Amino acid sequence: DGGITQSPKYLFRKEGQNVTLSCEQNLNHDAMYWYRQDPGQGLRLIYYSQIVNDFQKGDIAEGYSVSREKKESFPLTVTSAQKNPTAFYLCASSSTTELFFGSGTQLSVL
Amino acid sequence: AQSVTQPDIHITVSEGASLELRCNYSYGATPYLFWYVQSPGQGLQLLLKYFSGDTLVQGIKGFEAEFKRSQSSFNLRKPSVHWSDAAEYFCAVASSFSGGYNKLIFGAGTRLAVHP
Repeated sequence: DGGITQSPKYLFRKEGQNVTLSCEQNLNHDAMYWYRQDPGQGLRLIYYSQIVNDFQKGDIAEGYSVSREKKESFPLTVTSAQKNPTAFYLCASSSTTELFFGSGTQLSVL
Repeated sequence: AQSVTQPDIHITVSEGASLELRCNYSYGATPYLFWYVQSPGQGLQLLLKYFSGDTLVQGIKGFEAEFKRSQSSFNLRKPSVHWSDAAEYFCAVASSFSGGYNKLIFGAGTRLAVHP
């Protein structure tokens, strides 16, 4: 089945540590996105990519980094510069008519 | 700037009762409008969308929504709620939609609880 796979489902970060969240899609979509979700705040855009080897900052990019070396993959790194990383992270890709979402990664701080 | 307001943070209904979730948007031209549903710890699933044409749109799981330009609203409705409808619902707006980058603005969500 086509879709978006995020891993891991749960992730814990220690102080000063960088962690990477995986996102893979087999929908053949060009555009991919990373959103952060906090309770009561809806979804906020971290980064997006329209094509391989190109990506743009969203509304809350500070403390995060991404890469897009393959069309299918768009990993997100939460760096030690992100002081409040605890949140639910959602990866998405878009067709010409809608956004498709992965099942998310819950990141918590130890 | 575009914005989306979902005035109700929490709503509780009895199973079998009707449901209406409110969504108001701020955008000058004709918007592209979406409703998504999210179960706890899961991703978002598209319920329905409005791009143009008939202002009453039908979606999955028995949901419908009506676009009212004069009221800048896109309210979601269901005539009879099932216990499995308990989830969080998000309204979203975009100024355009294509195969490239699409900037969706999401509301803060409405959490629906269903009493047996």
